[in-house]
Amino acid sequence: EVQLMQSGGGLVQPGGSLRLSCEASGLFFNTYSMTWVRQAPGRGLEWVSKIGAGGSPIYYADSVKGRFTTSRDNARNSLYLHMNSLRDEDTAVYYCAVYMYSAFDPWGQGSLVTVSS
Amino acid sequence: QSALTQPASVSGSPGQSITISCTGTTSDVGSYNLVSWYQHHPGKAPKLIIYEDVERPSGVSFRFSGSKSGNTASLTISGLQTEDEADYYCCSFTHSDTWVFGGGTEVTVL
Repeated sequence: EVQLMQSGGGLVQPGGSLRLSCEASGLFFNTYSMTWVRQAPGRGLEWVSKIGAGGSPIYYADSVKGRFTTSRDNARNSLYLHMNSLRDEDTAVYYCAVYMYSAFDPWGQGSLVTVSS
Repeated sequence: QSALTQPASVSGSPGQSITISCTGTTSDVGSYNLVSWYQHHPGKAPKLIIYEDVERPSGVSFRFSGSKSGNTASLTISGLQTEDEADYYCCSFTHSDTWVFGGGTEVTVL
């Protein structure tokens, strides 16, 4: 069974930085692309980023381009989201997910990021 | 990239069938067979229920089916059950090598 364990959420001030982690088990991690999706309070799902199995290519939503960086460490079966210059509107639950069946499946349990002074 | 258009809410009685529409453009839904649908119970991880427009992953109930015509994809839930109460999101690949979700549809079982 594929499992994704997320960590790293929390409270951060506007302009601050935070790193989210997502550790995978139950799959050959280095053969799958991975993605990040977020959900702001009271809002719908928003795609954030996708990274190829070997670390490239990497794609970003316009809303985070230039501020967020997605990376992975295949030796550690881990995916990361480095978030800089955080804004109030980045407050959300962030999910990692495996890119499988040309879609996102399965998903992690989510990490809450709150940007507030 | 604008979000795909979904109705905010759809309701039905147990046993009935309901359909949720998802309208995009020729830059996304209309150009690729890459629409997926997700069921999301608040507080839990979203679950994939349809991929590549019409395909159902192993383990997903046959009561869920997908279709597409032009720029509009649809999800049909037949034999509605109380456990189907959730938010449903469509998602499509886009010409910009990005992905876009719909605004979500809240399904209520009356």
